[in-house]
Formats: sequence, C-alpha cells, structure tokens
Amino acid sequence: EVQLVESGGGLIQPGGSLSLSCASSGFTFSSYEMNWVRQAPGKGLEWVSYISIGGSTKYYADSVKGRFSISRDNAKNSLYLQMNSLRAEDTAVYYCVRGRFDPWGQGTLVTVSS
Amino acid sequence: QAVVTQEPSLTVSPGGTVTLTCGSSTGVVTSGHYPYWFQQKPGQAPRTLIYDTNNKHSWTPARFSGSLLGGKAALTLSGAQPEDEAEYYCLLSYSDAHSGVFGGGTKLTVL
Repeated sequence: EVQLVESGGGLIQPGGSLSLSCASSGFTFSSYEMNWVRQAPGKGLEWVSYISIGGSTKYYADSVKGRFSISRDNAKNSLYLQMNSLRAEDTAVYYCVRGRFDPWGQGTLVTVSS
Repeated sequence: QAVVTQEPSLTVSPGGTVTLTCGSSTGVVTSGHYPYWFQQKPGQAPRTLIYDTNNKHSWTPARFSGSLLGGKAALTLSGAQPEDEAEYYCLLSYSDAHSGVFGGGTKLTVL
C-alpha cells in the first residue's frame, strides 16, 4: 500500500523556523517527483513546492519563495520542507503529495502564532 | 499570478447531473494547463479524481468525467449519489506540469 506520512508540524512563533518531513512507503520513492500542498483552516488548497526525481529541479509558490526550501533523500525515501521566517498566514495543514498529485498524505498542522 | 475560478457552491438532486467549471484569469483553459480535479470530504485529505483534463484513476467512479467546455475545464457528475457531497477543487498548471494554481473550490450539495 502506498503511504505518505507527514511529521514535524506544531506551534511556532512568527519569524521562527520549522522543518517538515514526509516518510514514504509502498512505492519506489526515487522514481517519483514530489510536491507540498497546504490548506489554511477552513480555506482552499494552495500548491507550495515541487521537487524533481533527482532533486535538482525545484519550484515554489510566490508566497513562499525565498523562505521555504524543499529537499529529498532518496536513500531514506523521504521528502522535506524547511520553512523559515514563518508568518501567521503560513498557518495550515501541509500535505505531502506524490508525483502528479496522487496520492496525498494525511497532513501535518503548522500553527504560526505568538 | 493567475487566478483560477470555480463556482463557490452548487446543488444537485440525487440521480441528477451537474457540471462544475474551472476558469483561468489568463484566458481559455486548454489541455496544456493539465487540468486536475480533486474531491475533499470533511476531515479528510483530498483525493484525485481526474488528471490531464479527462483521465481517471482506477478508483474514480464512472459517473465522474472531465472535459474542456466553453473555454474552461469541467467536471461533470452524472447520477449524483449522497456520498458525492464534498468540496471539489481544480488545479491548473501555467509554466509546466510541475507547478500549479488551485481554484477556490466548489461545495457540492446533494439534496
């Protein structure tokens, strides 16, 4: 069974940093592109970032460019999102999503508040 | 950045047919936007229904279909079931197939 399990969410003060992880299983992680997508409480979906199979190509939404960094470790079957200079508007559930947007993990909640 | 628009809410009768649309502020939506459609039920992660305009996953019920209609991407539900009540999101890609902009979502009520 294909599984994506996010971790690392929590409460963080504005201006702080947080690192999210996504552990994968049930498929050959090194063969798939990966994405992060987020959803603010009671709001819609927002694509955040993409990384290529080898990790050399990365894209970011304008709202996070320069603050967030996506990476992966194919040996550990894991995807990461380093989030710096966090703002209240970054509060959301962050989903790890495989390849062409399927499947999705269950998400991890990041709350940015003082 | 482009804005993707969806109907905020729609209602369909059980057994009825409804079409949800997905428009772009940049103009006509084409297959080159690789339209996706996702279904999300309360408390759950989204699930992909349609990719690349009209392709279905193995779990996508046959009553759902994707198309291009009147310059927009469209998701048609034929023979609505109570379990289809959910939020539906579309996603369009603008620079390549690896990034995208989500629509604001359509809350579909089956009543």
